[in-house]
Amino acid sequence: GAVVSQHPSRVICKSGTSVKIECRSLDFQATTMFWYRQFPKQSLMLMATSNEGSKATYEQGVEKDKFLINHASLTLSTLTVTSAHPEDSSFYICSATISGGRETQYFGPGTRLLVL
Amino acid sequence: AQTVTQSQPEMSVQEAETVTLSCTYDTSESNYYLFWYKQPPSRQMILVIRQEAYKQQNATENRFSVNFQKAAKSFSLKISDSQLGDTAMYFCAFMKTRDVDSNYQLIWGAGTKLIIKP
Repeated sequence: GAVVSQHPSRVICKSGTSVKIECRSLDFQATTMFWYRQFPKQSLMLMATSNEGSKATYEQGVEKDKFLINHASLTLSTLTVTSAHPEDSSFYICSATISGGRETQYFGPGTRLLVL
Repeated sequence: AQTVTQSQPEMSVQEAETVTLSCTYDTSESNYYLFWYKQPPSRQMILVIRQEAYKQQNATENRFSVNFQKAAKSFSLKISDSQLGDTAMYFCAFMKTRDVDSNYQLIWGAGTKLIIKP
């Protein structure tokens, strides 16, 4: 149980284009979903927290117009990297918490983004 | 503010040996959660073990156990009978029980790279 999927697993795009990453909870309803960015050999950096049906809460230094987050249902959150640039290349990971059991985060497999 | 410290950047042990990964944290909270997550080369983050601060009993999950010392603010992970598949980055994480501001956010340590040698 508590499986989270992410799509795509890997994406290569040209500079200036937008990329959408989907995060789905497959066997549970996720009240809260988190989006992280991970640089090589480093820990996870929280980008934003999203609750279903409300606006995402962004961490300091994360551009909300650059990284658009939508949490339209209890099983789906999307992260859109708008007008991507090479410095946005990274590994993006989502996680979700189960409604009624919010203390444990379950993670998706991550999405590797490469912007050329 | 809460902080989590993992003082061992890298460790390596022989297969079947026991290894202990250290984690200390700083908080003024009395009730919170502590976690160990594993990130193998696939980069999938996997929950290894969870401990509630109000529980005195140390959590165990098969070959994984913790030594939770609340007064010392220490939360070490012991892996018994280590296996090749245990090779991974191990992250210690802290979460304070929910209040208006925290929204169940995790505070992460820097990680320990564990290598199990055949």
